[in-house]
Amino acid sequence: DAKTTQPTSMDCAEGRAANLPCNHSTISGNEYVYWYRQIHSQGPQYIIHGLKNNETNEMASLIITEDRKSSTLILPHATLRDTAVYYCIVRDQGGKLIFGQGTELSVKP
Amino acid sequence: KAGVTQTPRYLIKTRGQQVTLSCSPISGHRSVSWYQQTPGQGLQFLFEYFSETQRNKGNFPGRFSGRQFSNSRSEMNVSTLELGDSALYLCASSPGVLAGGYEQYFGPGTRLTVT
Repeated sequence: DAKTTQPTSMDCAEGRAANLPCNHSTISGNEYVYWYRQIHSQGPQYIIHGLKNNETNEMASLIITEDRKSSTLILPHATLRDTAVYYCIVRDQGGKLIFGQGTELSVKP
Repeated sequence: KAGVTQTPRYLIKTRGQQVTLSCSPISGHRSVSWYQQTPGQGLQFLFEYFSETQRNKGNFPGRFSGRQFSNSRSEMNVSTLELGDSALYLCASSPGVLAGGYEQYFGPGTRLTVT
């Protein structure tokens, strides 16, 4: 079973920041949080991952709470092309990705 | 670097037939994993291959099998196809074994339709 819970859907205005929350209250101390997104009928795309420190790359920022029970993916300036399903994943002991239902983000003009 | 490639992209088969799907990982990547995506069950892990050995397996029946070649290319096979096997089959490659925490890069998938 997925170890994360996410809202089913969210809307964001084009050009604004999109903040996607994720709860992972049962995460273990050495488990990373990964974010992927999937644009309709394409393969999932890796976005970012982190352990306990905040992370930033060219696509997004990842903010993990100090107790590590939740995190937020931030797309700083959302565009229409960011419309996708976003998956927050905590990998299992064997390392495989256990996908939940994800958050369907709609970026609107 | 070229990304993960999967062939064929689309496939239509009849119940009872078998099918073989192919995946070429990113150059230098040695781990290949397979996932099934359906509207009802979402994305589910099938298995992982690393250095020609199956390292990890999901909860799928024995009709689903795979293998990996010495050049890291992988194939998965589904025998005695059922209507419920209609899905998007995704291949993902990693530089190292999944338990090492490497990120995975997905291919575009093969859309299998069973009639």
